[in-house]
Amino acid sequence: EVQLVESGGNLVQPGGSLRLSCAASGFTFSAYWMSWVRQAPGKGLEWVANLRQDANEKYYVNSVKGRFTISRDNAKNSLYLQMTSLRAEDTAVYYCARLHWGLGVSGFDYWGQGSLVTVSS
Amino acid sequence: EIVMTQSPLSLPVTPGEPASISCRSSQSLRRPEGYNSLDWYLQKPGQSPQLLIYLGSYRASGVPDRFSGSGSGTDYTLEISRVEAEDVGVYFCMQSLQTPWTFGQGTKVEIK
Repeated sequence: EVQLVESGGNLVQPGGSLRLSCAASGFTFSAYWMSWVRQAPGKGLEWVANLRQDANEKYYVNSVKGRFTISRDNAKNSLYLQMTSLRAEDTAVYYCARLHWGLGVSGFDYWGQGSLVTVSS
Repeated sequence: EIVMTQSPLSLPVTPGEPASISCRSSQSLRRPEGYNSLDWYLQKPGQSPQLLIYLGSYRASGVPDRFSGSGSGTDYTLEISRVEAEDVGVYFCMQSLQTPWTFGQGTKVEIK
C-alpha cells in the first residue's frame, strides 16, 4: 500500500525557518517525480514544487523561489521541503504528493495527509 | 501563468441526478502529442485531495465509472452521471502543461 506521511509542521515566527519531511512507503520511491502542494486555511490548492527522480531537475512556484528548497533522499525514501524567510502567507497545510507519469505527466495519484505550517508572531 | 477558471463555484445536487463542472484555461492545454494536460481532483470533507481524471479524460485507478472527463484546448468538463452522497466535497481542476502548475478555484458540491 502506497503511503506518504508528512511531518515537521509547526508554529513559526515570520522570518523563521522550518523543514518538512515526507516519508514514502509501498512503492519504489526513486522511480517517481515528487511534489509539494499547499492549501491555506479555507482556501484552494496551490502547487509549490516538483522534483525529478535524481533530484537534478526541480521547479517552484514564483512566490517561494529563493526561499524554499525541495530535496530528496532516495536511500531513505524521503522527500523534504526546507522553508526559510517564512511569511504569514505561507501559512497552509502542506501536502506531499506522488506524480503519476503515464502518457506524460498524469496527475498526483497519491497524497499525504498534510502537515500544518502556521507563520505568526 | 495559466489561469484556470471553474464554474459554478457551488453546485447543489440531487442524489441520482447528473452533475457537471466546467473548467476553462487561459490558454490551450493541448500537447503536441495530442494529450490534454488537465486533471480533476476531489477533496472530500476533512480529507486530502484524490485524483479522479488525468490527461483530460482518463479515469484514475479505482475511480467509479460514473465520473467522466471531456474537453480539449481551453474548455473541459467533469461529469457525474448519477450523483451519490459520497461525491460531496470540493472539485478542483489543475493544469500541468507549464509551470507554475495552477488549480481552479474549486467547485463545492453538496447535496440539496
